Amino acid sequence: KAGVTQTPRYLIKTRGQQVTLSCSPISGHRSVSWYQQTPGQGLQFLFEYFSETQRNKGNFPGRFSGRQFSNSRSEMNVSTLELGDSALYLCASSPRTDATNEKLFFGSGTQLSVL
Amino acid sequence: GNSVTQMEGPVTLSEEAFLTINCTYTATGYPSLFWYVQYPGEGLQLLLKATKADDKGSNKGFEATYRKETTSFHLEKGSVQVSDSAVYFCALSDRTGRRALTFGSGTRLQVQP
Repeated sequence: KAGVTQTPRYLIKTRGQQVTLSCSPISGHRSVSWYQQTPGQGLQFLFEYFSETQRNKGNFPGRFSGRQFSNSRSEMNVSTLELGDSALYLCASSPRTDATNEKLFFGSGTQLSVL
Repeated sequence: GNSVTQMEGPVTLSEEAFLTINCTYTATGYPSLFWYVQYPGEGLQLLLKATKADDKGSNKGFEATYRKETTSFHLEKGSVQVSDSAVYFCALSDRTGRRALTFGSGTRLQVQP
């Protein structure tokens, strides 16, 4: 069974541009969550999508958005990039049962550098 | 709000040494607790979990016990190997229905032969 696939692996952008990151969950998993990982702030929750709807959102500005398609694939978009958006963006999928202790399966991430 | 505090790293040990990585938490109610591990160039993998007080999670020789009275979930391993070198993250998930993990800052472990 293929794992969580994130593309691209590396991305370099300049300030003011926008970027779209992609995540393909494990087959059968309907929930996709996004996390930002930086040396200063650590791992922070961005949002979760399930059945094409955003179910939960972290404390990030509106420049960060996402969507989920009917095949559960998800994209994350960051507009008007700032230097502080440089980070490793991790996607995680899960079957999303009712349990809150459900295991998340993480991808290898997209390393975004903003110059 | 929820928070997780981990001991500062890096932790450098010799092979076969005993490992302890401290983790304490603050949360509403009774959260579920996790340890995730991140190997170089990879995403996070779940190492072990515990869902209620006094539960012990274990996997690959690692153990952690959910201590409600001390709000702790310390990770231990009796004999580390070079292959255990990685970054270890303690995390919690509360039971409010908001499906988001709160992570600690991570502890880098370096095991020397």
